[in-house]
Amino acid sequence: GENVEQHPSTLSVQEGDSAVIKCTYSDSASNYFPWYKQELGKRPQLIIDIRSNVGEKKDQRIAVTLNKTAKHFSLHITETQPEDSAVYFCAAASNSGGSNYKLTFGKGTLLTVNP
Amino acid sequence: EPEVTQTPSHQVTQMGQEVILRCVPISNHLYFYWYRQILGQKVEFLVSFYNNEISEKSEIFDDQFSVERPDGSNFTLKIRSTKLEDSAMYFCASSATGSRYGYTFGSGTRLTVV
Repeated sequence: GENVEQHPSTLSVQEGDSAVIKCTYSDSASNYFPWYKQELGKRPQLIIDIRSNVGEKKDQRIAVTLNKTAKHFSLHITETQPEDSAVYFCAAASNSGGSNYKLTFGKGTLLTVNP
Repeated sequence: EPEVTQTPSHQVTQMGQEVILRCVPISNHLYFYWYRQILGQKVEFLVSFYNNEISEKSEIFDDQFSVERPDGSNFTLKIRSTKLEDSAMYFCASSATGSRYGYTFGSGTRLTVV
């Protein structure tokens, strides 16, 4: 099955700096890669996603890049703000030949943005 | 914006007891999922459900677990005889199609087994 590795596990940056979180996946059939932000005790919230036919996607301060050959994808947050502090999860979606898509998550990155 | 609703938000149960976690998916969604997250760990897939049957389940989803859609709106996860290691946050999710897009998570039920 799919295995998703995520690094780093913790990341501390100064307000205004950029933050980069990296993930690798193992299943070449995976073709959808969402990123979730989770605040303490809350549900995962989708912040951006990328499909396998696209190499990069940007939404304001957030961007995601995908390298299918190398099987890795990254989240970039620019001009970080204290409210960006949360745990960020990457995920890869595969359907194992069935009709449902299940998400395989990375272990998460605790991002702390210091004022 | 439509939401996936889960109840209760927190459940405390004695080891060995049965628990039922309830979810109301978004009304026009057809695919339903349960995930769990042990405190401080990643979110893990448990089961997917479509057309009144399980589509896929993980190795975590053993005989102690079952899912049901008892009526047109609810989607439940039952744990027959809870163990300490079942303590986790359980998230329900739904999607309109089997597509990888449009996944909506509920707010979760924190299950504590004592």
